[in-house]
Amino acid sequence: DAGVTQSPTHLIKTRGQQVTLRCSPKSGHDTVSWYQQALGQGPQFIFQYYEEEERQRGNFPDRFSGHQFPNYSSELNVNALLLGDSALYLCASSLDLPYEQYFGPGTRLTVT
Amino acid sequence: DAKTTQPNSMESNEEEPVHLPCNHSTISGTDYIHWYRQLPSQGPEYVIHGLTSNVNNRMASLAIAEDRKSSTLILHRATLRDAAVYYCILRDGVNRDDKIIFGKGTRLHILP
Repeated sequence: DAGVTQSPTHLIKTRGQQVTLRCSPKSGHDTVSWYQQALGQGPQFIFQYYEEEERQRGNFPDRFSGHQFPNYSSELNVNALLLGDSALYLCASSLDLPYEQYFGPGTRLTVT
Repeated sequence: DAKTTQPNSMESNEEEPVHLPCNHSTISGTDYIHWYRQLPSQGPEYVIHGLTSNVNNRMASLAIAEDRKSSTLILHRATLRDAAVYYCILRDGVNRDDKIIFGKGTRLHILP
């Protein structure tokens, strides 16, 4: 089992650009959550997808959007990048209550 | 805001037991206590969870106070590989769409 995979590993973008990050959940998992982790901080919840719909959302602006595909994989899109969007973006998948979440290694996004 | 309180950092000697405390005075009856840890340059990984009774697994033990307002993660014999940030998190065991709220966690240093 490959576990949760994310791509790309690292990414450098310019302020104002748009970025798409990808996540493949652990085999059999149907729920995907995205987190943003700034340096030295704990992960902050962005949103969660289940059955191809956004089910929960954290305190993030509409510039952050996502999608879940029928095979449960997911994308995170960020528009109009700001310098403050530089962070590690983590994807986590889960299945059953009380559902431990399995995290991927993350995508390191740098906005210059 | 995180619903748990943990010390910012702790130190322990290699091959000795480590007790990581967590306070969660506002815990509700359906909240499970989860622990995750994040090794350097990796995504968080699940460690253990419990509801009322103490729990053991191959990684650690979880001791839960009788009133459930605090808990302690116990690493029985710390190794250098256990150096990580440890997060204590409350998860609603009823609602699958409950988002994870990470605090800053406890940074555990292991001394050789």
